Amino acid sequence: GESVGLHLPTLSVQEGDNSIINCAYSNSASDYFIWYKQESGKGPQFIIDIRSNMDKRQGQRVTVLLNKTVKHLSLQIAATQPGDSAVYFCAETDGRALTFGSGTRLQVQP
Amino acid sequence: SQTIHQWPATLVQPVGSPLSLECTVEGTSNPNLYWYRQAAGRGLQLLFYSVGIGQISSEVPQNLSASRPQDRQFILSSKKLLLSDSGFYLCAWSVLTGYEQYFGPGTRLTVT
Repeated sequence: GESVGLHLPTLSVQEGDNSIINCAYSNSASDYFIWYKQESGKGPQFIIDIRSNMDKRQGQRVTVLLNKTVKHLSLQIAATQPGDSAVYFCAETDGRALTFGSGTRLQVQP
Repeated sequence: SQTIHQWPATLVQPVGSPLSLECTVEGTSNPNLYWYRQAAGRGLQLLFYSVGIGQISSEVPQNLSASRPQDRQFILSSKKLLLSDSGFYLCAWSVLTGYEQYFGPGTRLTVT
């Protein structure tokens, strides 16, 4: 879509702080959501997923929140570390196609 | 376990030269395969996807083509590269359409 041509928004946080990365989706039929992490020069890697019958799911230092009413997804990273610096993509699917968001660059300041 | 390979890792090619990037998947059968391009500091642009041997769908008109000669092999080609073809090319696979995709390490292409 059009978003692939735009520069990525950047979130800058201090090491040790919590990070919140947001994503809005448009397809109300989407029932499965994924967050990917892409480090510089590498392919995106799966972080965490959530199904539409849940509104929160926790992993190790990461939490995904889903608000279906406003079609909003967020990724929370606790105690952000320098190794968390990367581009984060959300993705949604209604079972027919996986659609990626435009991405957010997370910069962790020491 | 499943693994996905891409090569080469980096490539510098002159304008007008041909291109062939290869992607192979191990440890699964009949995967869906995808080619994405990512410009520097940008998002993922889906170029092609394939649900089976010889079945290719193109998402955007462009100077590139894709082929799937074998079940777990996906090739991205061009007869004559343009400067605008520079970017980071990612191959991915999924079990089914609309499910989680697993990405390869990518190929960084610079057209000079």
